[in-house]
Amino acid sequence: AQSVTQLDSQVPVFEEAPVELRCNYSSSVSVYLFWYVQYPNQGLQLLLKYLSGSTLVESINGFEAEFNKSQTSFHLRKPSVHISDTAEYFCAVSPKGDSSYKLIFGSGTRLLVRP
Amino acid sequence: GAVVSQHPSRVICKSGTSVKIECRSLDFQATTMFWYRQFPKQSLMLMATSNEGSKATYEQGVEKDKFLINHASLTLSTLTVTSAHPEDSSFYICSARDGGGMETQYFGPGTRLLVL
Repeated sequence: AQSVTQLDSQVPVFEEAPVELRCNYSSSVSVYLFWYVQYPNQGLQLLLKYLSGSTLVESINGFEAEFNKSQTSFHLRKPSVHISDTAEYFCAVSPKGDSSYKLIFGSGTRLLVRP
Repeated sequence: GAVVSQHPSRVICKSGTSVKIECRSLDFQATTMFWYRQFPKQSLMLMATSNEGSKATYEQGVEKDKFLINHASLTLSTLTVTSAHPEDSSFYICSARDGGGMETQYFGPGTRLLVL
């Protein structure tokens, strides 16, 4: 079985400051890792994903995440946030080789960017 | 990129009625679709996995007779909430898996259901 832990339920930060949203997972098998963002009253949008290869993955809007196998982490970072980054961020894993292709989500972290 | 639509975006119904929610993949064929339920300020809970042409696989604790899922084509899955009650009020989100990029799910915008 897999589980995903997002320890921070809310992260307040000032505009243009750096931010890190933490994600740790537990799994007995290798997993694919994802970050999704959800704006109010909307569905989820894929932000970035790690499938294989380079452990550092980037999104088009300045976010990056690094897969750390030894620490079973996939923290999300951005060097300078904008007001528009205010949203709920979900970390998720999907077991490799699982024909169901299920996603197991963390509880989410609300990023609140203040002016 | 891959686009998934849901209809309706918002529905209000009376207790005891049934509500159908559609999930469509617009620019790709989805061999698998997933239905999630999200309560306010909480994460997504997988309800069921829907495979085209076969019966849906429901997660533990989800009543299959209450939440009917039909995946009749590679671009359409429907969720019908039968005999809805106020406790069924929630945000329902579907996602679709592109068989080519099999590791990634693309999410619909969600349907807000309010049962009075």
